[in-house]
Amino acid sequence: AQSVTQPDIHITVSEGASLELRCNYSYGATPYLFWYVQSPGQGLQLLLKYFSGDTLVQGIKGFEAEFKRSQSSFNLRKPSVHWSDAAEYFCAVGVRSGGGADGLTFGKGTHLIIQP
Amino acid sequence: NAGVTQTPKFRILKIGQSMTLQCTQDMNHNYMYWYRQDPGMGLKLIYYSVGAGITDKGEVPNGYNVSRSTTEDFPLRLELAAPSQTSVYFCASSYSSGNGPGDQPQHFGDGTRLSIL
Repeated sequence: AQSVTQPDIHITVSEGASLELRCNYSYGATPYLFWYVQSPGQGLQLLLKYFSGDTLVQGIKGFEAEFKRSQSSFNLRKPSVHWSDAAEYFCAVGVRSGGGADGLTFGKGTHLIIQP
Repeated sequence: NAGVTQTPKFRILKIGQSMTLQCTQDMNHNYMYWYRQDPGMGLKLIYYSVGAGITDKGEVPNGYNVSRSTTEDFPLRLELAAPSQTSVYFCASSYSSGNGPGDQPQHFGDGTRLSIL
């Protein structure tokens, strides 16, 4: 079965600084990869997704992520964070199911704090 | 376009009471899901449905029941509320590509915050 690890529970970044959130997955083949963001009291919003092709994917709100097969990683980056980026970020893995519908497996999340 | 709508947003139940969390989507998605989110634990899948009349258990189904009589609606039922069911519940839906739902992003509602006292 697939699994997702987000090693950082909390990350604090100064406004205007760059950001990288780590995500590692475990799966026997190339998975489908997603990053979601959750603002307080809200549901999850899709930031970006990787299915195949170019390993650097662009998402909404200026985020990007890079798929590295050799490292089983899909780290999320942003060159300059804004105070509005403070939120919970979830990495998720999807697999091609053989008739089942297991859907996505989520990491436990990384809480991003923005310092003024 | 409303997307995925969950009601109620907040609810307090007493131990042993029952209730139904409502979820409806207007995107004509055939896949629908229920998750619970506990602090520091991410999201765990309770039940899912691949279409009207078809449901299956996820990772943590005990204490819950679901039904899917229409494409739009996927209610979650708690029959005998227990303190361990205090959580935030999210409903989601996704489009079917024919390869299963794993390659499609899921669209989430805003959640129902449930407390069992």
